[in-house]
Amino acid sequence: QFVLTQPPSASGTPGQTVTISCSGSTSNIGQNFVCWFQQFPGTAPKLLYREDQRPSGVPDRFSASKSVTSASLAISGLRAEDEADYYCAAWDDSLTAVVFGGGTKVTVL
Amino acid sequence: QVQLQESGPGVVKPSETLSLTCTVSGGSVHIFHWSWIRQAPGRGLEWIAYVSYGGDTAYNPSLKSRVAISLDKSRRQVSLNLTSVTAADTAVYYCARGRSKESAWLDTWGLGTPVTVSS
Repeated sequence: QFVLTQPPSASGTPGQTVTISCSGSTSNIGQNFVCWFQQFPGTAPKLLYREDQRPSGVPDRFSASKSVTSASLAISGLRAEDEADYYCAAWDDSLTAVVFGGGTKVTVL
Repeated sequence: QVQLQESGPGVVKPSETLSLTCTVSGGSVHIFHWSWIRQAPGRGLEWIAYVSYGGDTAYNPSLKSRVAISLDKSRRQVSLNLTSVTAADTAVYYCARGRSKESAWLDTWGLGTPVTVSS
């Protein structure tokens, strides 16, 4: 259903590193930069990463990477406040549209 | 600092047209692209369309036949019309600023406006 594929959930204990994957294809991740968004319940999404750049104010515990047609977001030193939904997105040249992943719910145990 | 404020009817009847407005304040509408994204209850994000300052538009292929997006520069408003709505169009609708053409670089979002399709 979603053009980009993310695991529905991920979890870790405080202090651990959690990594979220985002799988796409040559028409989207393979050709265009990936953005990551963080969303807390009942609030609007917030830009977390654009390719390899963090907007000001985003902690450096968050890091993103990309390889060919896949991308990943890592949260190191996990904190309770990181519990949220995380979405990847990219432009798709074939669809000529922005495509999102289905989202990954991160739980801090 | 730019702020986006969505507004809409709240409730729309099936088969009618949904009209939404996003008002941009505290920043320029120049250079940027303006997108609408929606999120059905308990679901993920779905991009709907964008319009650029120059008038370029792009649409989600699955919605293209029912959607029209426009930018009123003088009023600093981005409008979205969605025709022939059904219950599947029930969602929170967000307006977002895009930093570049043909990208997912949506750096500023509005708070969203909820829309329910119901008779």
